[in-house]
Amino acid sequence: SQQGEEDPQALSIQEGENATMNCSYKTSINNLQWYRQNSGRGLVHLILIRSNEREKHSGRLRVTLDTSKKSSSLLITASRAADTASYFCATIGGKSTFGDGTTLTVKP
Amino acid sequence: NAGVTQTPKFRVLKTGQSMTLLCAQDMNHEYMYWYRQDPGMGLRLIHYSVGEGTTAKGEVPDGYNVSRLKKQNFLLGLESAAPSQTSVYFCASSRTPRTPRSGANVLTFGAGSRLTVL
Repeated sequence: SQQGEEDPQALSIQEGENATMNCSYKTSINNLQWYRQNSGRGLVHLILIRSNEREKHSGRLRVTLDTSKKSSSLLITASRAADTASYFCATIGGKSTFGDGTTLTVKP
Repeated sequence: NAGVTQTPKFRVLKTGQSMTLLCAQDMNHEYMYWYRQDPGMGLRLIHYSVGEGTTAKGEVPDGYNVSRLKKQNFLLGLESAAPSQTSVYFCASSRTPRTPRSGANVLTFGAGSRLTVL
């Protein structure tokens, strides 16, 4: 089974709104990463948060990590139509495991 | 900078045929990975390699073989293709973590290879 599980599976919002996606994982981690996949393309790395960090920002992205609950969230603020994509959390080590993703649709 | 290049991009096979997918990276990365992605799902790790001449099994290795004869190349082989192997295959590569504990490998992905087995 997947190490990371995203919630919700699909999210549809209007441009300008915020989008929040959650990820749960099962085992201990050194870090957790978020990736984005545009339709028909490979995955692109967005942000990495280490196990000793609780929150990290990058532009319009905000990631939180709660190791006690084994969960992470990705917040995209002021969303744009171009943010429409699938978003995956991943625990990367010798093996690297991805969740099933959240499909975000941002309507103009 | 090409990054990670996968060939071919598309392929249609008949059941029982064999084929090889090639992944090439020009970033001098130590680690390389092969994933498959089925509709509406995340990526599942097939095999990976932590260096030239080494390979290891991932989550779903059955029906696949791999080789890492050169650092920059990672080959994925299907000896006898089955319809269940219809999928999109992604290769990725990463640097070695700075420390074993950091595990901070950021993956660079190829564009994918779409395989259909009839």
